[in-house]
Amino acid sequence: GQQVMQIPQYQHVQEGEDFTTYCNSSTTLSNIQWYKQRPGGHPVFLIQLVKSGEVKKQKRLTFQFGEAKKNSSLHITATQTTDVGTYFCAVNQGGKLIFGQGTELSVKP
Amino acid sequence: DSGVTQTPKHLITATGQRVTLRCSPRSGDLSVYWYQQSLDQGLQFLIQYYNGEERAKGNILERFSAQQFPDLHSELNLSSLELGDSALYFCASSATGGNTEAFFGQGTRLTVV
Repeated sequence: GQQVMQIPQYQHVQEGEDFTTYCNSSTTLSNIQWYKQRPGGHPVFLIQLVKSGEVKKQKRLTFQFGEAKKNSSLHITATQTTDVGTYFCAVNQGGKLIFGQGTELSVKP
Repeated sequence: DSGVTQTPKHLITATGQRVTLRCSPRSGDLSVYWYQQSLDQGLQFLIQYYNGEERAKGNILERFSAQQFPDLHSELNLSSLELGDSALYFCASSATGGNTEAFFGQGTRLTVV
């Protein structure tokens, strides 16, 4: 079945530093979604990317979909303590919404 | 509030027992997903239902089963529970499944002792 690899597993940053998490697939994706799970919370949908080379921004968050539609990234500029949590990418495989392993972000004030 | 309701929020039970977790999807959503999240683990896809029918199955144990009822609520049944089944179980719903965003409930934390 479709697998999506997400790296890094953990990222510790100082507040104000940037953060990036990557998702990679061995097969071409129809789309990719990103979710955030705060500590003790549930995953919350952030965005969906559909087009090759697509770039979307949400304030300090920038999402990219690779030209070959096999990889994606989420970049946070100037992290804040409110960015703490685990970020997951998710891909659709025949109805299954399969999640990457997630990147846990901690931010030191 | 995602609009997805899961009950109960917490459940403590003994090994060998059987429990039922319940999920009410967002109004109008036809698709329901179940996920298991163990400590330091990601979200493991268990099963998906669409408008009452099973659509996709993940690595769901034979001791686990689920169904979606005509009113679209779903139940996940876990039987012959083992210590390793202790986890957070999430339900999510989406409008049509597939390429639409999923809305997650707060989860049910199951502890098997």
